[in-house]
Amino acid sequence: DVKVTQSSRYLVKRTGEKVFLECVQDMDHENMFWYRQDPGLGLRLIYFSYDVKMKEKGDIPEGYSVSREKKERFSLILESASTNQTSMYLCASSLVDRGNNEKLFFGSGTQLSVL
Amino acid sequence: QQQVKQSPQSLIVQKGGISIINCAYENTAFDYFPWYQQFPGKGPALLIAIRPDVSEKKEGRFTISFNKSAKQFSLHIMDSQPGDSATYFCAAVNNAGNMLTFGGGTRLMVKP
Repeated sequence: DVKVTQSSRYLVKRTGEKVFLECVQDMDHENMFWYRQDPGLGLRLIYFSYDVKMKEKGDIPEGYSVSREKKERFSLILESASTNQTSMYLCASSLVDRGNNEKLFFGSGTQLSVL
Repeated sequence: QQQVKQSPQSLIVQKGGISIINCAYENTAFDYFPWYQQFPGKGPALLIAIRPDVSEKKEGRFTISFNKSAKQFSLHIMDSQPGDSATYFCAAVNNAGNMLTFGGGTRLMVKP
């Protein structure tokens, strides 16, 4: 089974702090993603990466950055946390099947509260 | 502005009933439509998916109905069970292979 592991289940930080969210996948997937989940808004893509040291902005990248130094690890960084970044953060990796359909595998999420 | 609109936001169904969740989209370049299921405390997991060359796909009690002309698709859960209680997300991907666009989610509760 594919396993996507997020380092923290719950995190509480103060406004202005630098926050690191870590994600590791064990299936040698090339594609990795960071989403945030908010009630009524579904999952919104923050950043994604197709390869080591490669990153692309998603729909809501403002206030975030990412790092992918190794294939299995994709980190989300909040340079200066703000209260509007309180949310559930979901990491995912993906594979493309023989039908050219992409399947995402998600971690269990990190609930971040910024006070 | 959400490119994929999902309704309802929440749904309560009696055990044995049919749960229906609807999604609509605008972008005609979308050509792959998966549904993800999320249980509390877990990340979403792929449940079922469809391409627009078919109007319906069934896997067990779960069926996707697709109406290309109306740009709508829906998930039907037959004989709904309490274990189906979860949040369901529809999604769409365009034919350029860009990222999934998710709907807002539907929280389903199936009462025993």
